[in-house]
Amino acid sequence: DVKVTQSSRYLVKRTGEKVFLECVQDMDHENMFWYRQDPGLGLRLIYFSYDVKMKEKGDIPEGYSVSREKKERFSLILESASTNQTSMYLCASIETSGGAGDTQYFGPGTRLTVL
Amino acid sequence: GQNIDQPTEMTATEGAIVQINCTYQTSGFNGLFWYQQHAGEAPTFLSYNVLDGLEEKGRFSSFLSRSKGYSYLLLKELQMKDSASYLCAVGDSNYQLIWGAGTKLIIKP
Repeated sequence: DVKVTQSSRYLVKRTGEKVFLECVQDMDHENMFWYRQDPGLGLRLIYFSYDVKMKEKGDIPEGYSVSREKKERFSLILESASTNQTSMYLCASIETSGGAGDTQYFGPGTRLTVL
Repeated sequence: GQNIDQPTEMTATEGAIVQINCTYQTSGFNGLFWYQQHAGEAPTFLSYNVLDGLEEKGRFSSFLSRSKGYSYLLLKELQMKDSASYLCAVGDSNYQLIWGAGTKLIIKP
């Protein structure tokens, strides 16, 4: 079974803090994604990565950055957390790129609250 | 613009059948996914349709009509554990997934 893990299930930070969210997958997947999920909205793509050291902006990259130094690890960074970044953050990975029908495997999510 | 619409919430009775609809307008189409998400947990894959018609997988079936931009997820013999949110997602021309907001399904005894 594919396993995607995230560093924290719940996180509380203060406005202006730098926040790191870590995601690790154990199936040697090339592609990894960061989403945020808010009530009444669909999952929105923040950033994705097709390979080590490669990153692409998603639909809502503002206020975020990412790092992919190793294939299995994809980190999401909030440079200066703001209250409107309070959300559920979900990491996902898939095996191939551009593959219609490839299943995305999700981590358990990190519920971030910014005070 | 790109848009996925599905009902916000539905209620059904244990043992019954429920159909959750999804309509979409996207730039390109590379298949439609259904995911299940229990409260506080990660979404998990249920089904994938790329051709018109019905795909059956146990108690769950998914239907697609590309000409109508329409899909539904059919759940039979409902069980209490089926209480969850059901997410519809469409692969666009860049193979990125566009997600609906999800349908919260409440099962009553």
